[in-house]
Amino acid sequence: SQQGEEDPQALSIQEGENATMNCSYKTSINNLQWYRQNSGRGLVHLILIRSNEREKHSGRLRVTLDTSKKSSSLLITASRAADTASYFCATDFKGNNNDMRFGAGTRLTVKP
Amino acid sequence: DTAVSQTPKYLVTQMGNDKSIKCEQNLGHDTMYWYKQDSKKFLKIMFSYNNKELIINETVPNRFSPKSPDKAHLNLHINSLELGDSAVYFCASTPAGTRTGELFFGEGSRLTVL
Repeated sequence: SQQGEEDPQALSIQEGENATMNCSYKTSINNLQWYRQNSGRGLVHLILIRSNEREKHSGRLRVTLDTSKKSSSLLITASRAADTASYFCATDFKGNNNDMRFGAGTRLTVKP
Repeated sequence: DTAVSQTPKYLVTQMGNDKSIKCEQNLGHDTMYWYKQDSKKFLKIMFSYNNKELIINETVPNRFSPKSPDKAHLNLHINSLELGDSAVYFCASTPAGTRTGELFFGEGSRLTVL
């Protein structure tokens, strides 16, 4: 069964704008991860946030986690055309870090 | 050097045939996975192996048989292919003993069943 559910399904913005994507999940977790997938390629790990953390930054990425609402958000600031990709959240299903589960992702298009 | 490599990248075959996809990782990881990504981009876990031992089998039909000859390789054999098997199959790996489960993915193998 799927675990994460991202929204929106698709997001289109202009270069320079910020992009926010959300993820909801169902079971308890130890950590939540965000991945990026360029068209026709494999997924690449972006950032990880542990269940005892509320916010994390990495370059232009900012991730928040609200375990009470079982939700997370990924913010990409000052977006670039090269950020165009699909973004997925993944969680360790029932706290098992050998069982990372994904949703269907958010398709982000950044127009130059 | 490719960290997680899959072959073939593309596979087109007829219904009823049997096919295999191979995966190799040179990262020294102990845990390897197969994920299936359907046309709607849902990424679903199929199998997980830790040091050649099956640890996750997520209600995948018996027609799918993973094989791990050693901890650096995880192959996927599919018997009697069906139209619904058309998808992109991703191999991934993660280090042993990690508390985070960060996954390293291959580039995917696109299977088309006609």
